[in-house]
Amino acid sequence: EADIYQTPRYLVIGTGKKITLECSQTMGHDKMYWYQQDPGMELHLIHYSYGVNSTEKGDLSSESTVSRIRTEHFPLTLESARPSHTSQYLCASARGTGGPDTQYFGPGTRLTVL
Amino acid sequence: GIQVEQSPPDLILQEGANSTLRCNFSDSVNNLQWFHQNPWGQLINLFYIPSGTKQNGRLSATTVATERYSLLYISSSQTTDSGVYFCAVDGGGADGLTFGKGTHLIIQP
Repeated sequence: EADIYQTPRYLVIGTGKKITLECSQTMGHDKMYWYQQDPGMELHLIHYSYGVNSTEKGDLSSESTVSRIRTEHFPLTLESARPSHTSQYLCASARGTGGPDTQYFGPGTRLTVL
Repeated sequence: GIQVEQSPPDLILQEGANSTLRCNFSDSVNNLQWFHQNPWGQLINLFYIPSGTKQNGRLSATTVATERYSLLYISSSQTTDSGVYFCAVDGGGADGLTFGKGTHLIIQP
């Protein structure tokens, strides 16, 4: 199993604030992902990365942005949070080459924007 | 993009019962995973199974890639098995997994 960490686990903030959700993995995985999940619903891919300096948008349009400056770190930023951003955000990683492309998930960040 | 359908959407069983969850997908896939999401929202890997059969304790899974479906079997259910079970496959326009809507399983003591 991969070790993948997300902070904070829970965040309640006011409208208009800038926030960064942190995601780190210690397995040296090349691929990393961000998914968004509304309560009781399925996950949707919002961003992914194949490696350092690689970022792509996923299937679900999102106002968030991501960066990949280091292999182990894939933060997600919202410049101006709104109530519509209230959701759970899950980060995942996968090896990329040399084995099964299993995705491993972090514990998630539950975001509430008031 | 690829479509993933899971059935049943909800399932309530008594402790000790067996169950079968189904996942149908609309196109060929390179990756199929089964997850269990616990009440705290954590996604737990159960199986990576794009084809074939695997077993892990009371859980087993079978994917028939040529017929585009996968089955998850849970035997001798325990209350800790409660939660949402997701099937997810690769495919579509972007890398990453496409998830089904899940099966919400409740195991009653």
